[in-house]
Amino acid sequence: EAGVAQSPRYKIIEKRQSVAFWCNPISGHATLYWYQQILGQGPKLLIQFQNNGVVDDSQLPKDRFSAERLKGVDSTLKIQPAKLEDSAVYLCASSFNTGRVDTQYFGPGTRLTVL
Amino acid sequence: QKEVEQNSGPLSVPEGAIASLNCTYSDRGSQSFFWYRQYSGKSPELIMSIYSNGDKEDGRFTAQLNKASQYVSLLIRDSQPSDSATYLCAAAGGSARQLTFGSGTQLTVLP
Repeated sequence: EAGVAQSPRYKIIEKRQSVAFWCNPISGHATLYWYQQILGQGPKLLIQFQNNGVVDDSQLPKDRFSAERLKGVDSTLKIQPAKLEDSAVYLCASSFNTGRVDTQYFGPGTRLTVL
Repeated sequence: QKEVEQNSGPLSVPEGAIASLNCTYSDRGSQSFFWYRQYSGKSPELIMSIYSNGDKEDGRFTAQLNKASQYVSLLIRDSQPSDSATYLCAAAGGSARQLTFGSGTQLTVLP
């Protein structure tokens, strides 16, 4: 079974530029998550999708971050414009939706450096 | 604000010893708890989940949960150098079943 795919793996941009990340979850997983992990910290949930609907985006800085999952499969996360403090690893995870707390499977992440 | 607290470490143990990792959580509504292992530069991978008070064993790993004390722990028996990683504790609860992660404990197992 293929795991969660993410691209790119690394990205270096200058502040005020824009950047987009892509995620393809495990086949059949209805729930998709985007996390931000700053060095030395645990992952912080940015947004959760169930199919193509947003379940929770309360911690997404909506003035600069946006995310979509148009067909209920893959997803993109965009930052525009980027700030220095956005330097982090952006992790995508997916899970089944069985009605319980399901195991989340993480992708390899995208390491973003903002200069 | 839901919080999960872990000692950041680093925690060093000799090979073959028992490593003990601890975690407390603030939300009494949390129902499920997870331990993830994260190697440097890699993504988190699930090693244990626990839902009920008491102990749960899986190979060299034992998770312990005490909901009254809002405390979760992970014991690693016969620690190996390959266990050297950051261990993340996570708690889940609420209708959206979201995870709140601690900041992780860095474990080093010395040969």
